[in-house]
Amino acid sequence: KQEVTQIPAALSVPEGENLVLNCSFTDSAIYNLQWFRQDPGKGLTSLLLIQSSQREQTSGRLNASLDKSSGRSTLYIAASQPGDSATYLCAVRSRGGTSYGKLTFGQGTILTVHP
Amino acid sequence: DAGVTQSPTHLIKTRGQQVTLRCSPKSGHDTVSWYQQALGQGPQFIFQYYEEEERQRGNFPDRFSGHQFPNYSSELNVNALLLGDSALYLCASSGDRSIGGYTFGSGTRLTVV
Repeated sequence: KQEVTQIPAALSVPEGENLVLNCSFTDSAIYNLQWFRQDPGKGLTSLLLIQSSQREQTSGRLNASLDKSSGRSTLYIAASQPGDSATYLCAVRSRGGTSYGKLTFGQGTILTVHP
Repeated sequence: DAGVTQSPTHLIKTRGQQVTLRCSPKSGHDTVSWYQQALGQGPQFIFQYYEEEERQRGNFPDRFSGHQFPNYSSELNVNALLLGDSALYLCASSGDRSIGGYTFGSGTRLTVV
């Protein structure tokens, strides 16, 4: 059974800091890993999708890395801004068996960036 | 290009009632999944539909059922509502059953009183 853990559970930083969010998963048999952002009471916005054959993806100030063999991914946010405040969720799409195609989510990291 | 559309946005039901939530996938997507997200938790997989059939199911009771229509839209039905069913219900669509990313809707907030 795939399990996804995100550390830290919450993070509060001053504006301008570079920060790292961590995600770990127990089963390396994945198709891909996706990072999402969720604003309070809202749906999920996809930030980055990394296929299992890739090592990293970048979009603007965001960079996500994937080490499938060790079951880890990190989301790096450069020069954080108050508008980055949200919950960040990591999800893996598992291969094969009964887990085919579904996403397994971590609990999320609540990020607060204060001016 | 419209993304994933869910309706209604909010719903209040009484314990024991039945509810139907609706989802239209992103244009070009043929696979629809439903997730339940309790406050402060990550989303939990309910089930996935492809070619109008339930292909995969999470650890949810039979009170949770669904349907996919020929136009790929989907419904989630919950019978005999419990207070614990109060949550944000998210619909996600994908155009590739293996390697594609998922696009999520804004969700339906269900409150059971």
